Amino acid sequence: DTGVSQNPRHKITKRGQNVTFRCDPISEHNRLYWYRQTLGQGPEFLTYFQNEAQLEKSRLLSDRFSAERPKGSFSTLEIQRTEQGDSAMYLCASSLGPGLQTQYFGPGTRLLVL
Amino acid sequence: GQQVMQIPQYQHVQEGEDFTTYCNSSTTLSNIQWYKQRPGGHPVFLIQLVKSGEVKKQKRLTFQFGEAKKNSSLHITATQTTDVGTYFCAGQVANAGKSTFGDGTTLTVKP
Repeated sequence: DTGVSQNPRHKITKRGQNVTFRCDPISEHNRLYWYRQTLGQGPEFLTYFQNEAQLEKSRLLSDRFSAERPKGSFSTLEIQRTEQGDSAMYLCASSLGPGLQTQYFGPGTRLLVL
Repeated sequence: GQQVMQIPQYQHVQEGEDFTTYCNSSTTLSNIQWYKQRPGGHPVFLIQLVKSGEVKKQKRLTFQFGEAKKNSSLHITATQTTDVGTYFCAGQVANAGKSTFGDGTTLTVKP
């Protein structure tokens, strides 16, 4: 399967714990995006990378959220001190790069914070 | 900030009826994309529109980009049960890396 993959697919955690999600984009794609989606809403932009550089981060994103793409390939999204409001589907998408905006989404990681 | 609105939020149709969803942006867009998300699935890319007034067709689906590049529509002719899902538009402004998604229109089709 050469699509975008995400792990884990589901995560249940207790409030206050840290969680980390991984995204493996399509191999030749330079851009990688993280979104959050809650029921009845569209994907909400969190951040994106061009290769290993984090080019934009949503102002809605608190300091508890951090993302990395150390070698310009896979990316991780960490949420520290999780809160119940963090419960959502976290989607990763990748695209070839500037001017080629077709984004290919992964299956998502569903987070439930108890 | 940029806002993208979609109407209606929900649409219930009888199989064979037509369906249209509308997307409006608060700012002029450089391009707009449409995605379909099946229940329990993830968004899947359908099409991208770039030119003012552009119209593209994919079988029973017709996509339009407004002359002012601030609105778009998706029209499905003679819906089928396989068309069920949520249709999202996502707009991008010039020199921005991200796309802003609308909240989608959820289509249900009664056989």
